[in-house]
Amino acid sequence: DQQVKQNSPSLSVQEGRISILNCDYTNSMFDYFLWYKKYPAEGPTFLISISSIKDKNEDGRFTVFLNKSAKHLSLHIVPSQPGDSAVYFCAARRSGAGNMLTFGGGTRLMVKP
Amino acid sequence: ETGVTQSPTHLIKTRGQQVTLRCSSQSGHNTVSWYQQALGQGPQFIFQYYREEENGRGNFPPRFSGLQFPNYSSELNVNALELDDSALYLCASSYKGAVFGYTFGSGTRLTVV
Repeated sequence: DQQVKQNSPSLSVQEGRISILNCDYTNSMFDYFLWYKKYPAEGPTFLISISSIKDKNEDGRFTVFLNKSAKHLSLHIVPSQPGDSAVYFCAARRSGAGNMLTFGGGTRLMVKP
Repeated sequence: ETGVTQSPTHLIKTRGQQVTLRCSSQSGHNTVSWYQQALGQGPQFIFQYYREEENGRGNFPPRFSGLQFPNYSSELNVNALELDDSALYLCASSYKGAVFGYTFGSGTRLTVV
């Protein structure tokens, strides 16, 4: 039972354009959502998060949107840069579960110069 | 400030054997979580240790066990290895288990043959 899904395994974008990575979830008990970036041979690094009581959070070039009614969130990267090429994971924390994160399968983003 | 270090980086074991993976937490962190990332999938929560006790467990059998030491370093032990245990094992440390403070190590790549 996959509670967090990233339906696009890969995405290719031209440098300077917008990258939109999508994530769907099924568990209404999730109260925080996080995005992680992972380069090869490195551990995931935290990128940005959003609480379930908000619908948008912005940090520089990165913006996360949350649509609770659709159980959908998206990460927008504007403008995309070649250094953004990595695997992006969406993760969710369930209220009351404290510290356990449920991850999606990841989307590989390739930003072409 | 040192990050999270994991050892070894790569390991090959035979089915039925036992393995121990090690993790040194980031300075100031007192909680450690372990995740299994199979090829092409997102990380899956195995368990978390806080104050040397297991403090949450995912859907993994008892042959996955762990330890946390007084200096907050940790071990993941897997008995009776199966081929499906082949994966990247990630350790993440944090302070009091806060998911937003997760710092991941680069992982140990375990191959079971």
